[in-house]
Amino acid sequence: EADIYQTPRYLVIGTGKKITLECSQTMGHDKMYWYQQDPGMELHLIHYSYGVNSTEKGDLSSESTVSRIRTEHFPLTLESARPSHTSQYLCASKPPGAISSYNEQFFGPGTRLTVL
Amino acid sequence: GDSVTQMEGPVTLSEEAFLTINCTYTATGYPSLFWYVQYPGEGLQLLLKATKADDKGSNKGFEATYRKETTSFHLEKGSVQVSDSAVYFCAPRYNFNKFYFGSGTKLNVKP
Repeated sequence: EADIYQTPRYLVIGTGKKITLECSQTMGHDKMYWYQQDPGMELHLIHYSYGVNSTEKGDLSSESTVSRIRTEHFPLTLESARPSHTSQYLCASKPPGAISSYNEQFFGPGTRLTVL
Repeated sequence: GDSVTQMEGPVTLSEEAFLTINCTYTATGYPSLFWYVQYPGEGLQLLLKATKADDKGSNKGFEATYRKETTSFHLEKGSVQVSDSAVYFCAPRYNFNKFYFGSGTKLNVKP
């Protein structure tokens, strides 16, 4: 059973608001990821982290930012939300391993964001 | 670049029908191959995986075989149930920091 949590599960906000999507995992995983899942169901990697104080941008350009001050916590922030940010945001983590490509990612339940 | 091509959905089947969802990947390096499932209203869960050629991953009656010669990892199940209705994602993994998720295939199983 994966222990990775996301809050809130659903969020409806107005344009221009600053929001932070929370993601926490209690498994001690070093690598964490944020994906954006559009209505067509495709997942796009927007941020990832190798560990504390490490953050990288993913394949899909995003106006969001992330931070990794603690191993277990990987929040995503939008400084000024817009309707184009409406999507589902999925957080994931992966344990370390000698052959990293063998290990699966564990996903949180997702945050469904609607910006009006 | 690295990528994955997945069968488009939705796929609608009757209960107990045979299921195949096709997935092919680009042959760059030697990826590990994963299938994830997303049930309605939930996050993604690992369904099965295979890490080298000819390996067969299996779980909950689903199977997929790592076919290096055809760069494929097709998902199959002999007899689907209504509870299998979900979205299925094929995801090769080329290095530690990246999965490449397919576009997802929605499966609807009717009683």
